[in-house]
Amino acid sequence: RKEVEQDPGPFNVPEGATVAFNCTYSNSASQSFFWYRQDCRKEPKLLMSVYSSGNEDGRFTAQLNRASQYISLLIRDSKLSDSATYLCVVNYFGNEKLTFGTGTRLTIIP
Amino acid sequence: NAGVTQTPKFRVLKTGQSMTLLCAQDMNHEYMYWYRQDPGMGLRLIHYSVGEGTTAKGEVPDGYNVSRLKKQNFLLGLESAAPSQTSVYFCASREAGGRDEQFFGPGTRLTVL
Repeated sequence: RKEVEQDPGPFNVPEGATVAFNCTYSNSASQSFFWYRQDCRKEPKLLMSVYSSGNEDGRFTAQLNRASQYISLLIRDSKLSDSATYLCVVNYFGNEKLTFGTGTRLTIIP
Repeated sequence: NAGVTQTPKFRVLKTGQSMTLLCAQDMNHEYMYWYRQDPGMGLRLIHYSVGEGTTAKGEVPDGYNVSRLKKQNFLLGLESAAPSQTSVYFCASREAGGRDEQFFGPGTRLTVL
């Protein structure tokens, strides 16, 4: 089983719709969680950290479910500019290497 | 503050040639990483360093060597390039500890003919 698993997609979603995707992780000792965004042919960039109580940043909401070992990302009122690949990233305290998922590709359709 | 920079941005090599990719960061980060990214494979860690003078193997180290002589620089070397090393290479850095953001360079697109 991979340490971090994501549905690769693609998710093709009409503009203005709400879309959500999950990411599962296998290491129960994982303590820090992130969503990164990667545009085509660009480097990954941090979208948001994921906190235990869940957190929101504008149209984006991230949730953590420790019992089932997954994190989720919800995008409301999707924009064309949200088209990208979203990478799930996990780590545990003291580990030197972040673990990246292979990404979920999202395309917002006009 | 330039963040993480990589040189060159593009390169075409012939099989058997050698080259060095340079990564530099100006954020005083302890940790630095080299990844390769291929279609459908996601990011794969080649080598990493947790401080000046230290290096360690990642997931796919074969065919690559690295050096971290200065804290701000992390070099990735290909001694004898092979077509299988055609890829996009990303360098990244972050502060020591488990919760901090990892910053990536813009990538180097390498083609080996």
